[in-house]
Amino acid sequence: DAGITQSPRHKVTETGTPVTLRCHQTENHRYMYWYRQDPGHGLRLIHYSYGVKDTDKGEVSDGYSVSRSKTEDFLLTLESATSSQTSVYFCAISDLDNGPEAFFGQGTRLTVV
Amino acid sequence: AQTVTQSQPEMSVQEAETVTLSCTYDTSENNYYLFWYKQPPSRQMILVIRQEAYKQQNATENRFSVNFQKAAKSFSLKISDSQLGDTAMYFCAFMKHVGTSGSRLTFGEGTQLTVNP
Repeated sequence: DAGITQSPRHKVTETGTPVTLRCHQTENHRYMYWYRQDPGHGLRLIHYSYGVKDTDKGEVSDGYSVSRSKTEDFLLTLESATSSQTSVYFCAISDLDNGPEAFFGQGTRLTVV
Repeated sequence: AQTVTQSQPEMSVQEAETVTLSCTYDTSENNYYLFWYKQPPSRQMILVIRQEAYKQQNATENRFSVNFQKAAKSFSLKISDSQLGDTAMYFCAFMKHVGTSGSRLTFGEGTQLTVNP
């Protein structure tokens, strides 16, 4: 299994509070991604990174920000959590030298009440 | 923009039988990749199989095989000799040919497969 660790695995937070999810990889892969999974929508890309300090938006980026100060860490921040951000969040990594596949972390279940 | 559609929200199959999951996609790209991922109750996303669009030969991985019809933009997954451990949500995913944006994936809605004993 690819060395990807997401933390926390579960979190309950209140509307309006900031939340940061962490993705840590030990594979030295260049690309990292944050997806959210919701019933009926599959997984949708929030943000991705193609290198340290290089990030870009995905299809559902509103209300989220990301940072990548080191190759191994990719942080997803909800500045002011809303109930619509209740979801399961997945981090993924890839490195084109090892093929096109993306490998996923275990997911974080976030509930905003 | 690419879209991926899985028209079967749920399916069931008897153990040891064969089942086929459907996936269609829409793209103007000529070079791309298609994937099937499996998500068991543990929530882990597991890569099942991959197909390169430039390859006419259908990909196979043990009991899993695909029927890739590029002109029809269809990419179905066949599971032979179904096992109880195949019970999972299956996602079809599309990826443009790799470039500076890496392995950005567009997913279908998923098909929940249940294998019955």
